Amino acid sequence: NAGVTQTPKFQVLKTGQSMTLQCAQDMNHEYMSWYRQDPGMGLRLIHYSVGAGITDQGEVPNGYNVSRSTTEDFPLRLLSAAPSQTSVYFCASSYLGAYEQYFGPGTRLTVT
Amino acid sequence: AQTVTQSQPEMSVQEAETVTLSCTYDTSENNYYLFWYKQPPSRQMILVIRQEAYKQQNATENRFSVNFQKAAKSFSLKISDSQLGDTAMYFCAFMKHAGVTGTASKLTFGTGTRLQVTL
Repeated sequence: NAGVTQTPKFQVLKTGQSMTLQCAQDMNHEYMSWYRQDPGMGLRLIHYSVGAGITDQGEVPNGYNVSRSTTEDFPLRLLSAAPSQTSVYFCASSYLGAYEQYFGPGTRLTVT
Repeated sequence: AQTVTQSQPEMSVQEAETVTLSCTYDTSENNYYLFWYKQPPSRQMILVIRQEAYKQQNATENRFSVNFQKAAKSFSLKISDSQLGDTAMYFCAFMKHAGVTGTASKLTFGTGTRLQVTL
């Protein structure tokens, strides 16, 4: 039982490049979400999903796309990276309606 | 919308002493959860303690306890007998209760308090 996994752990991008942050969970959780963590800002919700085929925007969705084709995977796409997207990204999952969320180890992304 | 405020960006405590981290929140909801998460240098988010708003009794988990004041919308974390391993960033977070619909709910985090435990 791996829990929530995220790849890569670290990434450096140049402005304008695209990439996908991967998130997978093996607990059959319906709910998955992406947060970004910036100094002095705490964690802010980017996008979330309540099941395969269903996604919705969080607090800071601009510049990010998501899709949920399977229960296990919830990738986060940056179509054209900007320096403002330099951050640590966390994926989290839970059973629908459950209070406890399981966090992945995070991805540190730097955009130069 | 909910907001969570942590007014102490940094705190320091000596080993074996007690420290209290403050958190206030604002919501129009009546049924919700409050959490304290710990983030050590490893970056992993670890749930420390949770409180359900409908419960008057303050939650405790070993050396960690909360002081939940619903009317004042205050939710502080007390760490007793502080240990070096408690050094971390601590986040207060809010989640609306899912209710009978079972819909997922989102976490709203405060900006965090960096706690340093010293010898």
